Amino acid sequence: GQQVMQIPQYQHVQEGEDFTTYCNSSTTLSNIQWYKQRPGGHPVFLIQLVKSGEVKKQKRLTFQFGEAKKNSSLHITATQTTDVGTYFCAVRSQTGANNLFFGTGTRLTVIP
Amino acid sequence: NAGVTQTPKFRVLKTGQSMTLLCAQDMNHEYMYWYRQDPGMGLRLIHYSVGEGTTAKGEVPDGYNVSRLKKQNFLLGLESAAPSQTSVYFCASSYSNSYGYTFGSGTRLTVV
Repeated sequence: GQQVMQIPQYQHVQEGEDFTTYCNSSTTLSNIQWYKQRPGGHPVFLIQLVKSGEVKKQKRLTFQFGEAKKNSSLHITATQTTDVGTYFCAVRSQTGANNLFFGTGTRLTVIP
Repeated sequence: NAGVTQTPKFRVLKTGQSMTLLCAQDMNHEYMYWYRQDPGMGLRLIHYSVGEGTTAKGEVPDGYNVSRLKKQNFLLGLESAAPSQTSVYFCASSYSNSYGYTFGSGTRLTVV
């Protein structure tokens, strides 16, 4: 399956600080998706990036796709306690089925 | 509009017992998936379906079987449960293989 590395595994921040998680692949990706999973919850789709160098924003969240389409990042500005959860990137397999393979996630803790 | 519904939400099985997890979606999605989530392992694809009457193996299919007799339902079966199958199981669906996934709320299964 498609291999994707996600770092860091854990991140603790004070409320109001910024947070970034990174997803890296050794191969060129067709696209990348990001999901958020609250503690005890299920993954929720946030966004899909397709174009080289693409940048998309959702309120305080900024998503970037690298120029070489081998890496991506999710940046949260001025974290809030509602941002707590695990953030996963997911990439398509190289086979015809194009299934999603998920990174291991970054667990974000926000300290009030 | 319920989205993706999984039943049951919790279950405890004894080693060797069998059970079926049910996933139902009301979004008329063609694609459906079963993932398992274990600590530190992210989400791993067990089986998937690209349409009614079709099924295919994912990353970790051993010990599981699936059926998709109706478009809206995707069943995951464990014929002889093992402690290694203790996990949280998520069902997901998507309109096509280019869209984000909608996940169910999960089934927490413990095999003792």
